[in-house]
Amino acid sequence: RKEVEQDPGPFNVPEGATVAFNCTYSNSASQSFFWYRQDCRKEPKLLMSVYSSGNEDGRFTAQLNRASQYISLLIRDSKLSDSATYLCVVNRRPGNTPLVFGKGTRLSVIA
Amino acid sequence: NAGVTQTPKFRVLKTGQSMTLLCAQDMNHEYMYWYRQDPGMGLRLIHYSVGEGTTAKGEVPDGYNVSRLKKQNFLLGLESAAPSQTSVYFCASRIHQGGRPETQYFGPGTRLLVL
Repeated sequence: RKEVEQDPGPFNVPEGATVAFNCTYSNSASQSFFWYRQDCRKEPKLLMSVYSSGNEDGRFTAQLNRASQYISLLIRDSKLSDSATYLCVVNRRPGNTPLVFGKGTRLSVIA
Repeated sequence: NAGVTQTPKFRVLKTGQSMTLLCAQDMNHEYMYWYRQDPGMGLRLIHYSVGEGTTAKGEVPDGYNVSRLKKQNFLLGLESAAPSQTSVYFCASRIHQGGRPETQYFGPGTRLLVL
C-alpha cells in the first residue's frame, strides 16, 4: 500500500461548483499534514496546512480524520484559476524526515 | 531574495553522457532535496541533505549522485545518462528549526530529455 494515496482525477467541474478531494495515509504515526498546489509545468507550492480541528482559508477547507487516516480538501465556489493538481503531503515526524507526497489529484474548472 | 533556483532549465543529453544539475537557495535552509516527477508517478525523492557535507538516499537514488559542499548549493549528478532518466527534476529546501516544517520551497524545475 502506498504511504499516501489520492484519487488522480481528473475532476472536471463548472465554475461555482463545490469540489472535494480525499487522501488516505498508511502510517498512523504521521504527525503533520498539508495540501500543496501544482500548476501545469510549475513547481509545487504550499496551499495550506491541515489541523486536527479542521481549518479554513477563504474558499478552502481542510479536514483531518486521524481515526480513519484520511485528509480532505473542500473548495467552494470554484474559480477557473483553481485549475491545478492538488498534492496531499504527510510529515511522518518532526525533524529531518522528508515529507511524503501523494501523486496528486487534477482539477479542471470549466467556464 | 531569489528563493530556490535551478540550473539549467532545460537540457537534452545523449545516452551515456554526464551532467550536473545545480540547485541554489539563499534562505539559509538546512535541508535540501532532489525529486524527479514523471507522468502518473508523482514526486519521487532521489537524494536529500540535512546539512552541509551530508547526503542521504531517497526513494529512487540509483544512477544519481549528489554533493552538498556548501550550505546553499546541492548538486545532482548523472554519471551516464539513460533514457529512463528523462524527467522533470525539482530541487527543494526547508528550514531546520524556528520555521514551519511544512514550508518546503521548490525550485522551478529542470526538464531533462535523454535520447
